[in-house]
Amino acid sequence: DMKVTQMPRYLIKRMGENVLLECGQDMSHETMYWYRQDPGLGLQLIYISYDVDSNSEGDIPKGYRVSRKKREHFSLILDSAKTNQTSVYFCASSLSTGFSYEQYFGPGTRLTVL
Amino acid sequence: GDSVTQTEGQVTVSESKSLIINCTYSATSIGYPNLFWYVRYPGEGLQLLLKVITAGQKGSSRGFEATYNKEATSFHLQKASVQESDSAVYYCALSGMGYKLTFGTGTSLLVDP
Repeated sequence: DMKVTQMPRYLIKRMGENVLLECGQDMSHETMYWYRQDPGLGLQLIYISYDVDSNSEGDIPKGYRVSRKKREHFSLILDSAKTNQTSVYFCASSLSTGFSYEQYFGPGTRLTVL
Repeated sequence: GDSVTQTEGQVTVSESKSLIINCTYSATSIGYPNLFWYVRYPGEGLQLLLKVITAGQKGSSRGFEATYNKEATSFHLQKASVQESDSAVYYCALSGMGYKLTFGTGTSLLVDP
């Protein structure tokens, strides 16, 4: 069963706390992504990972970092979270970065930073 | 840069009626982007509904269809007869050079039973 999982699904943190969002996939996809979605906006790409320890900034990387030590896991880290990082975060994976390859998405993590 | 516009934030349609969700795009990174419709059902992640990679072609899935119109830079999503189970959020997207998917803001479809 092809699946992308995200943990936790809901998270409330205080400003200045560290946040760890986890993503897993069981399809052995090389490429993984982190997006955020805010009301009235489309999904915005934060980071892309081409494989283990091969990460690249997306459109809005500021305030975030990522870690990929295993092909099936991709973490998004917020060091000292800010209130403007309140959002819904989506992880995705794809077989490659070719532009016709389908991206498979997780169910999202709703993060609230107070 | 590339952009995708969905003008309707929310659409309500009665069951068995027809549907059209508008999508227009601007692709500056590539002449012929690939075009996608993704759907997000409540509590789930986005899933690919259909894609078209050739201008002039039509894609279809689950009764939905969309035609890649390069002249009008449009990729409208249509369905002849919607069902209550079609209630979801629909996202139009394009892929330009390399890896990037550019998404529209999404259209929330509510089907009245």
